[in-house]
Amino acid sequence: DIHVTQSPSSVSASVGDRVTITCRASPDINTWLAWYQQKPGKAPKLLIYAASSLQSGVPSRFSGSGSGTDFTLTISSLQPEDFATYYCQQANSFPPTFGPGTKVDIK
Amino acid sequence: QVQVVQSGAEVKKPGASVRVSCKASGYTFTSYYMHWVRQAPGQGLEWMGVINVGGDRTSYAQKFQGRVTMTRDTSTNTVYMELSSLRSEDTAVYFCARGSGSYHLDFDYWGQGTLVTVSS
Repeated sequence: DIHVTQSPSSVSASVGDRVTITCRASPDINTWLAWYQQKPGKAPKLLIYAASSLQSGVPSRFSGSGSGTDFTLTISSLQPEDFATYYCQQANSFPPTFGPGTKVDIK
Repeated sequence: QVQVVQSGAEVKKPGASVRVSCKASGYTFTSYYMHWVRQAPGQGLEWMGVINVGGDRTSYAQKFQGRVTMTRDTSTNTVYMELSSLRSEDTAVYFCARGSGSYHLDFDYWGQGTLVTVSS
């Protein structure tokens, strides 16, 4: 199975901050990576697919980059509704595997 | 618009089975895969398996082989996930999620989740 890690496990930030989350996959997954946002008691929501493509309806302050084994999710200016847990997931091969998550909370 | 609606919460005893349903609407049901992902309390996301709705083929995570069965009913646009021999560690929220993308491994629409509690 492809192993997926994330860092940091949590980050405290303020409204307006730029936040970057890193995801690492092993082995190489080309650009087959997705990012999800999950709020407490809710289902995950797809934000980014194919490493850098913005899902329809997702605000442009979210962006993704990377290829191969190293990827990043950036929130350019954190908004109150962005406080949540973020997961990356490799979509290259079966079984799909998720990172452990990064919780973004209020500083 | 696309909607995916799951059945309600369940409480089961150890050793029992549970069946969770997932009803889809707003798109061509047989053109997509449907995955199942679970989340134990306070934990991350764990992929369980997938059904190719159009071809009625399934693929399960090794961890659940022999205990999970995924089926579909194209007359009602519903997918089912049955998990048997339940144990306390199976207490979790179970999500169905539509597969998209080139390999059907991006999950673009999710059900609201079904809490399954296993307790004696």
